[in-house]
Amino acid sequence: SQQGEEDPQALSIQEGENATMNCSYKTSINNLQWYRQNSGRGLVHLILIRSNEREKHSGRLRVTLDTSKKSSSLLITASRAADTASYFCATGTSPGGGADGLTFGKGTHLIIQP
Amino acid sequence: KAGVTQTPRYLIKTRGQQVTLSCSPISGHRSVSWYQQTPGQGLQFLFEYFSETQRNKGNFPGRFSGRQFSNSRSEMNVSTLELGDSALYLCASSLAPEGNYEQYFGPGTRLTVT
Repeated sequence: SQQGEEDPQALSIQEGENATMNCSYKTSINNLQWYRQNSGRGLVHLILIRSNEREKHSGRLRVTLDTSKKSSSLLITASRAADTASYFCATGTSPGGGADGLTFGKGTHLIIQP
Repeated sequence: KAGVTQTPRYLIKTRGQQVTLSCSPISGHRSVSWYQQTPGQGLQFLFEYFSETQRNKGNFPGRFSGRQFSNSRSEMNVSTLELGDSALYLCASSLAPEGNYEQYFGPGTRLTVT
């Protein structure tokens, strides 16, 4: 079963606008990660935020984590056509021993209109 | 560093056959995970290997198996293929088996079962 659920399922915006995607999850986590996938290819890691962090930045990306609400958001500022892709959140649950694998949501398909 | 490589990239098999997929992790990464991606179920964790040992397995039937070699390269095998096994199979490597490290994904092997 999916741990994370992204919202919205699809998002279409104009180039230059900001894009916000949300992720909700069900159980306690050790970390939450965001990945990007272009058209059926492999996933590219974007950012990892640990459960004791509230906000993290990487270039045009800003991720927030609210463990009390079991939710995270990914903000992409000043979007570009190349940002068109599917974005997935993934949760890691092992606190430092024993691997469960990452549990992925179904993704948000982002389309940037030129 | 070279990225994660997967071979073959595309594969067409017939129901009832078996298939072996290969994954070479990033140099120095000892953890390899496998995921299945389908339009209906999304990304699902298959299993993870570390130091030639399977550390965890997802909810897949015994027809799905894998192994890891001493050089960290990994293979997964699917026996008695079914139509529903058609999917993109992704391999990911990371420094450590715990879920609190980012995973680096290969481009995937697209398997079509006819």
